[in-house]
Amino acid sequence: DAGVIQSPRHEVTEMGQEVTLRCKPISGHNSLFWYRQTMMRGLELLIYFNNNVPIDDSGMPEDRFSAKMPNASFSTLKIQPSEPRDSAVYFCASSQFGDRVYNEQFFGPGTRLTVL
Amino acid sequence: GQSLEQPSEVTAVEGAIVQINCTYQTSGFYGLSWYQQHDGGAPTFLSYNALDGLEETGRFSSFLSRSDSYGYLLLQELQMKDSASYFCAVRTGGGNKLTFGTGTQLKVEL
Repeated sequence: DAGVIQSPRHEVTEMGQEVTLRCKPISGHNSLFWYRQTMMRGLELLIYFNNNVPIDDSGMPEDRFSAKMPNASFSTLKIQPSEPRDSAVYFCASSQFGDRVYNEQFFGPGTRLTVL
Repeated sequence: GQSLEQPSEVTAVEGAIVQINCTYQTSGFYGLSWYQQHDGGAPTFLSYNALDGLEETGRFSSFLSRSDSYGYLLLQELQMKDSASYFCAVRTGGGNKLTFGTGTQLKVEL
């Protein structure tokens, strides 16, 4: 299996521009998570989906952030307009949903976003 | 809400044993997980404890005490490649959602 795939791996943009990050989860996984990692705030959960449905978006910082999962093999995280404080590494992770049983999350390589 | 505390940095010598502690406060608790992250890399799963006690996987072991809201990761026979950040994370409901701690940077020296 190719693992979780994220694109782009690096993104440099200017303040005010729209940024779209993409994620392909591991085939067969039905839970998908978007995280943001910075030195100051650590690893923060932004939103997660079960069976393509957003379950918890309480970590989404503000209305500038939106996430979609149109099908089981693709998700996007969009920032519009972007700001310098959005600079971070964004990780996507996937797992097989388990209610009583915990199934580990598999992380993608991340997208390093720099907003100038 | 949830809060987790772990030391920010630990230094140890190659071949030694090191313990990384994690205390947590949560509203609801299902289990404690540990992830490893090398510089520039992605977090990778190490362990998960739902019940009290010690779980061993090779050189790594993880312990949980639910009554004390406390857990630790034990790394034995340290190797240089173990230099990384280690995160504890709590699972507070069904599904696999985790809340991560701030991480402990482990430096292994010769």
